Amino acid sequence: DTGVSQNPRHKITKRGQNVTFRCDPISEHNRLYWYRQTLGQGPEFLTYFQNEAQLEKSRLLSDRFSAERPKGSFSTLEIQRTEQGDSAMYLCASSLMGQINEKLFFGSGTQLSVL
Amino acid sequence: GQQLNQSPQSMFIQEGEDVSMNCTSSSIFNTWLWYKQDPGEGPVLLIALYKAGELTSNGRLTAQFGITRKDSFLNISASIPSDVGIYFCAGPTSGTYKYIFGTGTRLKVLA
Repeated sequence: DTGVSQNPRHKITKRGQNVTFRCDPISEHNRLYWYRQTLGQGPEFLTYFQNEAQLEKSRLLSDRFSAERPKGSFSTLEIQRTEQGDSAMYLCASSLMGQINEKLFFGSGTQLSVL
Repeated sequence: GQQLNQSPQSMFIQEGEDVSMNCTSSSIFNTWLWYKQDPGEGPVLLIALYKAGELTSNGRLTAQFGITRKDSFLNISASIPSDVGIYFCAGPTSGTYKYIFGTGTRLKVLA
């Protein structure tokens, strides 16, 4: 069990560029979550998947953000036309659906800096 | 919407002291998760609680699910320098699997 893996760990980009992050959940986990965290704040929910279906999206997820989980395994989060306000840590978590006692396990995150 | 408030916001303690922090909600939760986060890293799950009144330990950490189901408590006994970090509570908003996080308690330990 290798845990939740996120790539890249760090991304520096110029305003207006597109970026894509990848998350590989724990292998048998069928729920996958994306969160955003800015300095000094708790993680804020963005969206979650149950298998390949995206079941809920936050209002924080503007039209420039899109998340996919095409085969119910890994997921990608793309930000188009990045803005300086997108600078944050993007966290991915996974859990096992169907367990009565659900637990979310997080990856190490992708730190995005938009210049 | 539902919010989780954590108290205290930050604290300095002497090494060896016990620590208490809490998390309160405006509405009922069915699950409480407690996490610790180090700078530049993702949150690490410490303790999970699923039943009102439940008391669960993990080493020097003990957490309790409040009987009103609107709060939870985390205690750390005999703190050590590596306890430094930010502690978050989290739980699913009612009727969904959308987990929200508290505002965090920043713990700093003086050796």
